[in-house]
Amino acid sequence: DIQMTQSPSSLSASVGDRVTIICRASQSISSNLNWYQQKPGKAPKLLVYGASTLQSGVPSRFSGSGSGTDFTLTISSLQPEDFATYCCQQSNSPPWTFGQGTKVEIK
Amino acid sequence: QITLKESGPTLVKPTQTLTLTCTFSGFSLSTNGVGVGWIRQPPGRALEWLALIYWDDDKRYSPSLKSRLTITKDTSKNQVVLTMTNMDPMDTATYYCAHRRLKSAIQIFDPWGQGTLVTVSS
Repeated sequence: DIQMTQSPSSLSASVGDRVTIICRASQSISSNLNWYQQKPGKAPKLLVYGASTLQSGVPSRFSGSGSGTDFTLTISSLQPEDFATYCCQQSNSPPWTFGQGTKVEIK
Repeated sequence: QITLKESGPTLVKPTQTLTLTCTFSGFSLSTNGVGVGWIRQPPGRALEWLALIYWDDDKRYSPSLKSRLTITKDTSKNQVVLTMTNMDPMDTATYYCAHRRLKSAIQIFDPWGQGTLVTVSS
């Protein structure tokens, strides 16, 4: 199985801050990496697919980058509605595995 | 608009078999490239992919749970059913179904159902 490791596991930030979340795969997954946002009690919502393509309707303050084993999700200017948990997922090969999540909290 | 909704028991006893149904609309599971997956999330923990069924009835299972899982589809009813045998308290989780498709050759799960919390307890 491909292991997905995120860092940090949580962070505190203020509205307007730039936030970067890292996701590392245990082996190369090319650009087969998706990012999801999950709010408490809600289902995950797709933000970025293919490592860097924003899903339709996702604000442009979100961006994804990386390939191979190292990936980042960046929020350029954190907004109140962005406080949530962010999770990466590899879609390179089954079993499709998820990172443990990064909780973005209000400072 | 694609929607999915999970249904099934909220409480099962250890050793029992869990049967969950995903009822969807807005797409057909007979369309080339389409699939429905099941993913679960124990309270406060990470997401775990369980199973996936494709339009052509091909199936994939998590290796660690393969012996306990069965996924089937009823295209005429727009439903996918997941069964998990020999339930254990460690299987307590919110179970989600999700629409699977390829977008620019990347497999995505989008959208997801609202999830259903299943508690395993005697």
